[in-house]
Amino acid sequence: DAGVTQSPTHLIKTRGQQVTLRCSPKSGHDTVSWYQQALGQGPQFIFQYYEEEERQRGNFPDRFSGHQFPNYSSELNVNALLLGDSALYLCASSLGGGLNTGELFFGEGSRLTVL
Amino acid sequence: DQQVKQNSPSLSVQEGRISILNCDYTNSMFDYFLWYKKYPAEGPTFLISISSIKDKNEDGRFTVFLNKSAKHLSLHIVPSQPGDSAVYFCAASATGGYNKLIFGAGTRLAVHP
Repeated sequence: DAGVTQSPTHLIKTRGQQVTLRCSPKSGHDTVSWYQQALGQGPQFIFQYYEEEERQRGNFPDRFSGHQFPNYSSELNVNALLLGDSALYLCASSLGGGLNTGELFFGEGSRLTVL
Repeated sequence: DQQVKQNSPSLSVQEGRISILNCDYTNSMFDYFLWYKKYPAEGPTFLISISSIKDKNEDGRFTVFLNKSAKHLSLHIVPSQPGDSAVYFCAASATGGYNKLIFGAGTRLAVHP
C-alpha cells in the first residue's frame, strides 16, 4: 500500500519562474492538503482540496494555486517565484474533506530552491 | 504572529531517561492538539493527540498533558530510546481535528546512549 508520493523531490528555479509540484495521496484517501515548511520553521498550511475544489486556504497569496484531479491526485502551482518561496513543500492526504477529515499522512516533500 | 511556540530548539537526553518537550499556544479557539515526529528526508508522522476536553492522553511510552489555563502542553517520552531522536512538532487546530493545522517550529530531540 503506497503512502503519499510527491514529485519532484528536489528542484531549482530562478526568480519570476513558475513551478508545479505533484502529489499522489495514500490509497483510499480523497483529500489533499499542502503545507510549506521554510528552513527552521514548522509547516504552514497553504490550502486543502476535496472533491476537486479548494475547501480551505491559509494565509498565502494568489500566486499559490492548486488543482485536484478526479483520481484525487493534486498539483501545487506557484507563479512569479520569489526567493522567499524557497522551502520544503509537503503534501498530506486524509479521508473525508471539510471539518471531519481524518488523520493526515504526509509525503516526504518537494524541496524547492529559488535563486 | 506565532500562535504555536516551541521555545526549545533542541533537547538532549540520556537513553532510559524522560524526555519532556514543551509547547505554548496563544489562540484560545484551538480545541485539538497534536504531536508529529519527523526524521530526516521523511514527512512528519502523527504521534499522539489530545482534545481540549481532556488534560492527559497516554499511548505507550508517550503521554501528552494539556493545561488550558496556561495554554501549555507537553509531551513526555518515558523511557527515551535512541530511535526517538527526531524533530518533534507541536500542532494545533481550531476545527476539532486534523484540518488547517498550525505548527510550532519544532524541537530537535537527541537521545544518546
